[in-house]
Amino acid sequence: AQKVTQAQTEISVVEKEDVTLDCVYETRDTTYYLFWYKQPPSGELVFLIRRNSFDEQNEISGRYSWNFQKSTSSFNFTITASQVVDSAVYFCALSEAYNSGNTPLVFGKGTRLSVIA
Amino acid sequence: DAGVTQSPTHLIKTRGQHVTLRCSPISGHKSVSWYQQVLGQGPQFIFQYYEKEERGRGNFPDRFSARQFPNYSSELNVNALLLGDSALYLCASSPRATNEKLFFGSGTQLSVL
Repeated sequence: AQKVTQAQTEISVVEKEDVTLDCVYETRDTTYYLFWYKQPPSGELVFLIRRNSFDEQNEISGRYSWNFQKSTSSFNFTITASQVVDSAVYFCALSEAYNSGNTPLVFGKGTRLSVIA
Repeated sequence: DAGVTQSPTHLIKTRGQHVTLRCSPISGHKSVSWYQQVLGQGPQFIFQYYEKEERGRGNFPDRFSARQFPNYSSELNVNALLLGDSALYLCASSPRATNEKLFFGSGTQLSVL
């Protein structure tokens, strides 16, 4: 069974601080995909990244970076020099691959990040 | 290009009523998925449609149904509403049936009184 755990319910940081959002997942498949989405107050989920299970390279995109470690089943997300605009709920999600595609996304409960000016 | 659009944005119903939520995908996207997000929780998968056929169904009762039209827009129907159906209903579209990258709408906030 698929499961995603985001143990941090809420995080509050002061602007310009670095912050890491944790994500731990469970799956029995060897081929799967991990995602991060951002949900601002407007409600829509904004895609941030997708990684497949065979690519453990860390990725950096501007102030965002992701650390994927299969050994600990974790896919953590770091925001460097946080800004007020980063305030949102962040979701980690998992999807397993099969012949003709991949399964619907299973989401964690989300981490609410508040960045204070 | 317009993103995923959902209507209405807010809806208030009473127990036992029926509701229809609508979704227009991004132009060129043939897959539409529906997710339910209860307050304080992550989205939970309800349905996926691709080329007007159901491709997947989540663990929801038969009171929930959906369909996709020839123009790839979609409707989610919920019958005999319960208080527990109060949630944000999100629609997501993607070019193909795979869930490589979903584009979400802003959702319909349904309140059942």
